[in-house]
This record gives sequence, C-alpha cells and structure tokens, in this order.
Amino acid sequence: RKEVEQDPGPFNVPEGATVAFNCTYSNSASQSFFWYRQDCRKEPKLLMSVYSSGNEDGRFTAQLNRASQYISLLIRDSKLSDSATYLCVVSTNTGGFKTIFGAGTRLFVKA
Amino acid sequence: DGGITQSPKYLFRKEGQNVTLSCEQNLNHDAMYWYRQDPGQGLRLIYYSQIVNDFQKGDIAEGYSVSREKKESFPLTVTSAQKNPTAFYLCASSIFFGTVNQPQHFGDGTRLSIL
Repeated sequence: RKEVEQDPGPFNVPEGATVAFNCTYSNSASQSFFWYRQDCRKEPKLLMSVYSSGNEDGRFTAQLNRASQYISLLIRDSKLSDSATYLCVVSTNTGGFKTIFGAGTRLFVKA
Repeated sequence: DGGITQSPKYLFRKEGQNVTLSCEQNLNHDAMYWYRQDPGQGLRLIYYSQIVNDFQKGDIAEGYSVSREKKESFPLTVTSAQKNPTAFYLCASSIFFGTVNQPQHFGDGTRLSIL
C-alpha cells in the first residue's frame, strides 16, 4: 500500500461544478497536511494547509479526518483556470523527518 | 522579490559526466530540499538540509550528492553513478523545521536529459 494515495483521475467537470478530491495516508503519526496544485511542466504551488478543524479559502475547502486517515479538497464553482493536477502532501517529524507527496489528481474544467 | 531560483532550466548530461544543479533562495529559510519528479509520478525526496553544513539522505539519494555551505544555497550534483537521471528536478525551502513541518515553497525546476 502506498503511504499517500490519490485517485489519479482525470476528473472532467464543466465550469461552475463542484468537485471533491480525497487523499488517504497510512502513517497515523502524520502531523502536517497540505494541498498543492501543479500546472503542466511547472513547479508545485501551495494551495492551502489543512487543519484539524477544517479550513476554507474562497472557493476551496480542506478537511482532515484523522480517525479515517484521509484529507479532502472541495472546489466550488470551478473555473477554467482550476485545471491542474492537485497534490496531497503528508508530513511528520515523529521518528525522523518524512514528507510524502501523492502522485496527484488531474482536473480538467471545461467551458 | 523573495523566492527560489533554480538554474539552469534545461540541462543535458553525457555518459560518465557529473552535472551540478543550482538552487538559491533569498527567503531566509532554514530548510532546503531536493526532489525528483518522473512523468505521472509524485515527487521523491533526494536530500534535505535543516541547517548550514548539515544534510540528510532522502528516499533516493544514491547517485546524488549535495552541499550546504551557505544558508541560501543548496546545489545538487548528479553523478555518473545515477544511471537514470532523466527527470524534472525541484528544489524547495521552508522555514525552521521545528516539531511541525511547515509548507515548502518550490523553485521552477530543472529538466535534465541524457544525450
């Protein structure tokens, strides 16, 4: 089993749709969680950190479920510019530094 | 503007050659990292450094070497021992390690290919 797993997609959605991505992780000692977006042939860019209480940034909402060991990202009112690959990142310092990037979920938003 | 600068953007390596990828940051970040990304795959950690003059192996360190002589610089050498070096190499940095890892910020990468 991979340490961080994401549905690779692609997710094809029309503009204005709501889309949700899940990411599961295997290390229960994980402490920090992030979502990044990566455009084709570009570097990953931080989208948002994920907090235990859940957090929102405009059209984006992130949730963490420690009991089930997954994090989620919800995008409301999708825009064409949201088309990208979304990477889930899980990190810990317990037992030594470890940061694992998921392979990503591809999203295509169509007009 | 603060940021992370990687150079060159594209690099070609001949058989038996060592090449060095540059990474410089002016964010005053303590920690720096090198990742490799292959098509359709996630990032894999090569080396990381928490402070000057200290660095640790990541998951795929074989065939690579690094140095951290200055806080702002973390060059990566791809040696001839790395038999499959073709990939997208990403450098990142973050503020002080501490007990909870902070988000990493990336340079725009170097694409390395074999001639």
